[in-house]
Amino acid sequence: EDQVTQSPEALRLQEGESSSLNCSYTVSGLRGLFWYRQDPGKGPEFLFTLYSAGEEKEKERLKATLTKKESFLHITAPKPEDSATYLCAVRLANFGNEKLTFGTGTRLTIIP
Amino acid sequence: DVKVTQSSRYLVKRTGEKVFLECVQDMDHENMFWYRQDPGLGLRLIYFSYDVKMKEKGDIPEGYSVSREKKERFSLILESASTNQTSMYLCASTLRGWNTEAFFGQGTRLTVV
Repeated sequence: EDQVTQSPEALRLQEGESSSLNCSYTVSGLRGLFWYRQDPGKGPEFLFTLYSAGEEKEKERLKATLTKKESFLHITAPKPEDSATYLCAVRLANFGNEKLTFGTGTRLTIIP
Repeated sequence: DVKVTQSSRYLVKRTGEKVFLECVQDMDHENMFWYRQDPGLGLRLIYFSYDVKMKEKGDIPEGYSVSREKKERFSLILESASTNQTSMYLCASTLRGWNTEAFFGQGTRLTVV
């Protein structure tokens, strides 16, 4: 069965304390892995797409990486405004099926 | 600015009522999706549509139906609302293709009492 697992469920960091969030997947035929940010009471907002092992994408203090089994979202010197829930999702190589399957998310809190 | 708009931010309905959640996108996207989001369970796909009048069941379609009469509009229908359908409902849309990201609406918080 295809599965997407995110860890940890919640993470509290001091401002400036770097860390990583994990998204592991056991799926057959990965077409793409997506990272989203979700603020309380809002819909998810797109951050990155990764397609193949070894690929990396960066945006401000965030860097996403991909291996054959997992993806990491590295947060460098975070600020309080980086507090949010971070979601990963996978798109599978099923012909005609372009849905995204999501993990349960990591709730990140940055303490000033 | 691209937009996916859901008709209500908050709804309170009674058990047994028929409930309509509306979603409109202005990006000419082919694919549209309805998810529900619950604590500890993440986003779960209810239904999706890849074209007008076309629909496919997602992972949890029971108790729901959908309608897509126009490309820009995708409606989620709760035929007879129940308390276990209290949730955050999220609509999303994408262009057709593997490498297209989903754009989400702001969500509808539905409470069934």
